[in-house]
Amino acid sequence: KAGVTQTPRYLIKTRGQQVTLSCSPISGHRSVSWYQQTPGQGLQFLFEYFSETQRNKGNFPGRFSGRQFSNSRSEMNVSTLELGDSALYLCASSPTDYGYTFGSGTRLTVV
Amino acid sequence: TQLLEQSPQFLSIQEGENLTVYCNSSSVFSSLQWYRQEPGEGPVLLVTVVTGGEVKKLKRLTFQFGDARKDSSLHITAAQPGDTGLYLCAGVGYSGGGADGLTFGKGTHLIIQP
Repeated sequence: KAGVTQTPRYLIKTRGQQVTLSCSPISGHRSVSWYQQTPGQGLQFLFEYFSETQRNKGNFPGRFSGRQFSNSRSEMNVSTLELGDSALYLCASSPTDYGYTFGSGTRLTVV
Repeated sequence: TQLLEQSPQFLSIQEGENLTVYCNSSSVFSSLQWYRQEPGEGPVLLVTVVTGGEVKKLKRLTFQFGDARKDSSLHITAAQPGDTGLYLCAGVGYSGGGADGLTFGKGTHLIIQP
């Protein structure tokens, strides 16, 4: 059974650019959540999608956005990148509200 | 805002020793989850505790949920080098983890030296 797949694994971007990260959940999982992990703040909730609808959003600026497609695949976008956006971005999928499976993440470096 | 405090932040012990990691909050959670994360990978779910006072055992790991559902502990018996990693606790709110998102502690970096 394939796990949660995140692409790309590594990304280097310049300040001011935008970036799109992709997440393919486990087949049959309709919930996809996104988290940002940094050494200082740990793992912080970005947003969650269920059946193409955003159910909730964490305390992040509007530069962070996401969407979910009909096949449950999800993308997140960060516009006008700042140095502080450098982080490991993790996607997690779940068949319900519990029992999350995380992907390996996308390591984003903003220079 | 719900917060989870984990302690200790760092722990380095010798193989064969026992250890306990704590996860505390002033908020009540419907359940608590424990994850282990290795460098370059995402967190892997170890256990979910749901009922206040619940104790779950996973081989040498023992997880406990506080009676008031505000705190949890992870006890490792006879630690082995393979236990090395970042241990994270995560609280699930009453609206359901998906809707609210998991609230994570900052983690305990555990190193088991041979």
